Amino acid sequence: ETGVTQTPRHLVMGMTNKKSLKCEQHLGHNAMYWYKQSAKKPLELMFVYSLEERVENNSVPSRFSPECPNSSHLFLHLHTLQPEDSALYLCASSQDSGVSSTDTQYFGPGTRLTVL
Amino acid sequence: GNSVTQMEGPVTLSEEAFLTINCTYTATGYPSLFWYVQYPGEGLQLLLKATKADDKGSNKGFEATYRKETTSFHLEKGSVQVSDSAVYFCALSNNQGGKLIFGQGTELSVKP
Repeated sequence: ETGVTQTPRHLVMGMTNKKSLKCEQHLGHNAMYWYKQSAKKPLELMFVYSLEERVENNSVPSRFSPECPNSSHLFLHLHTLQPEDSALYLCASSQDSGVSSTDTQYFGPGTRLTVL
Repeated sequence: GNSVTQMEGPVTLSEEAFLTINCTYTATGYPSLFWYVQYPGEGLQLLLKATKADDKGSNKGFEATYRKETTSFHLEKGSVQVSDSAVYFCALSNNQGGKLIFGQGTELSVKP
């Protein structure tokens, strides 16, 4: 049990659907992250939130829209996705994400997304 | 810039064999170094970490030593088990707002 939960664990959606991924952390952390894990590629950082404010957006297409309503919850809203967006989406949290932070990140189990 | 390079997999070993997975990094200053493990169908779990040169991280029989002179953080285990079959990721964090830079991962398969 890592203290970071993600729902749903699996999601199949069409290219015109709108869906949301949810992440919740029970560790009292201040920073949360979204990563994309595609086959045969390194993990790609998508977004970083610190104290509910977005501090990093790694050139992610606008069809991915994050939302962080409080320090325990993080959402990834999906709209008009492409088949190449099929991947495992991982959420993580850490105590802090300040400039000098090297805090350990704790990961959720991921959502396996398939776009048809 | 910062980067991490791992040995390519898959690595296939027999049970009780010795394991080494090589990891080298490029970074300015003094990054923290991590090994994460991903079991089939699961997310990443922190396996061990080291925050300064010559530190040794260890957990569950795995060890890695932070070698600044060779910019390496190789993962070792003296006797692997079938349950160690997973993908192992080396990563660094270097004063960039908590951003983790991952290697491409090394798949380990342990046969009985």
